Amino acid sequence: DAKTTQPNSMESNEEEPVHLPCNHSTISGTDYIHWYRQLPSQGPEYVIHGLTSNVNNRMASLAIAEDRKSSTLILHRATLRDAAVYYCILRSSGTYKYIFGTGTRLKVLA
Amino acid sequence: GAGVSQSPSNKVTEKGKDVELRCDPISGHTALYWYRQSLGQGLEFLIYFQGNSAPDKSGLPSDRFSAERTGGSVSTLTIQRTQQEDSAVYLCASSPDYSDEQYFGPGTRLTVT
Repeated sequence: DAKTTQPNSMESNEEEPVHLPCNHSTISGTDYIHWYRQLPSQGPEYVIHGLTSNVNNRMASLAIAEDRKSSTLILHRATLRDAAVYYCILRSSGTYKYIFGTGTRLKVLA
Repeated sequence: GAGVSQSPSNKVTEKGKDVELRCDPISGHTALYWYRQSLGQGLEFLIYFQGNSAPDKSGLPSDRFSAERTGGSVSTLTIQRTQQEDSAVYLCASSPDYSDEQYFGPGTRLTVT
């Protein structure tokens, strides 16, 4: 299973953009990049996913490097409610087995 | 509509006893997943069901763990002869047919004493 590497923790000021990095140097051509987040005492929730092109949705943007060995989740304007653990996950095409790492704990400062 | 529900929300059991954890997925969702999360850790994949296909059991940690899904809906995760290292939050998620968006339940906190 392809592995992802994320910083253990990050801090951001409220109402500022946040860039959460993820390295996946062993990614294969058919692996999808997914992001989930887990708010305190809750189950994870889907944020965004992509394959090759950058993706935008109402929650965030996903920027994927040209060689696909890294990606960045962008929260355009952090709020206190965005404080959570953010997981970057690779999913192989043809399987729906998701391997979560330990994620990045994001702290948002008021 | 209703989200994924799990029961019980908390379960305390003695070492060696069997436990059953229940998951009710979102109506119409064909895929169902079980994960467990130990304190301060990330999620560990356990098993995945998709429609009528054979489940992907590759994440089950031992033969004490089993899961079934009846009628393509409700799922039960059974842990036999529980051990203290089985203590964790067990999370269930469901998703529409071959969708990448999983919807998670609130989890069952299992404590083995």
